[in-house]
Amino acid sequence: DADVTQTPRNRITKTGKRIMLECSQTKGHDRMYWYRQDPGLGLRLIYYSFDVKDINKGEISDGYSVSRQAQAKFSLSLESAIPNQTALYFCATLNGNTGELFFGEGSRLTVL
Amino acid sequence: AQRVTQPEKLLSVFKGAPVELKCNYSYSGSPELFWYVQYSRQRLQLLLRHISRESIKGFTADLNKGETSFHLKKPFAQEEDSAMYYCALGWGQTGANNLFFGTGTRLTVIP
Repeated sequence: DADVTQTPRNRITKTGKRIMLECSQTKGHDRMYWYRQDPGLGLRLIYYSFDVKDINKGEISDGYSVSRQAQAKFSLSLESAIPNQTALYFCATLNGNTGELFFGEGSRLTVL
Repeated sequence: AQRVTQPEKLLSVFKGAPVELKCNYSYSGSPELFWYVQYSRQRLQLLLRHISRESIKGFTADLNKGETSFHLKKPFAQEEDSAMYYCALGWGQTGANNLFFGTGTRLTVIP
């Protein structure tokens, strides 16, 4: 079944550590997104990519970087994690014909 | 600037009662509006989009450009409707350039 898969699902790390969250998809969609979910703040866009090698900043890109080396993979990196980056992170792909986003199950990151 | 406002963080209704989740948007162009839902232990998923003009799980939403609103309604709430609901605004071709989410409303349907 075509899907959006995120790894790891849960991660606890310390301030200053480098963290990578990975997303892979089998839906064949060109457009991929990383969102961050915080209580009371909803979903906020971090970065998005319309195609391989295409990278665009979202609403809250500071402190994050991404890599899109293949259509199926879009990774999010925190070069030096800080506690206020503790959140639930979602990867999503977009069906460009319908505008529907397909989400992964989320990656819960805790920065101590 | 684009903005989506969901004024209620929490909403509780009794089973069988009507429910309305409010959404207002700010956008100068022609928007695409969506409702996404996240049930407990499930992925965030599309509930409905205004352009489809369809009813999903008994829910409907009408785009009111005059009031810049896209409220989600259901005449008779069910317990399985308890979930987190997000209104989202898209723009660009098929709303695909970007999707801006509101802060969400947690709906609880009381048995």
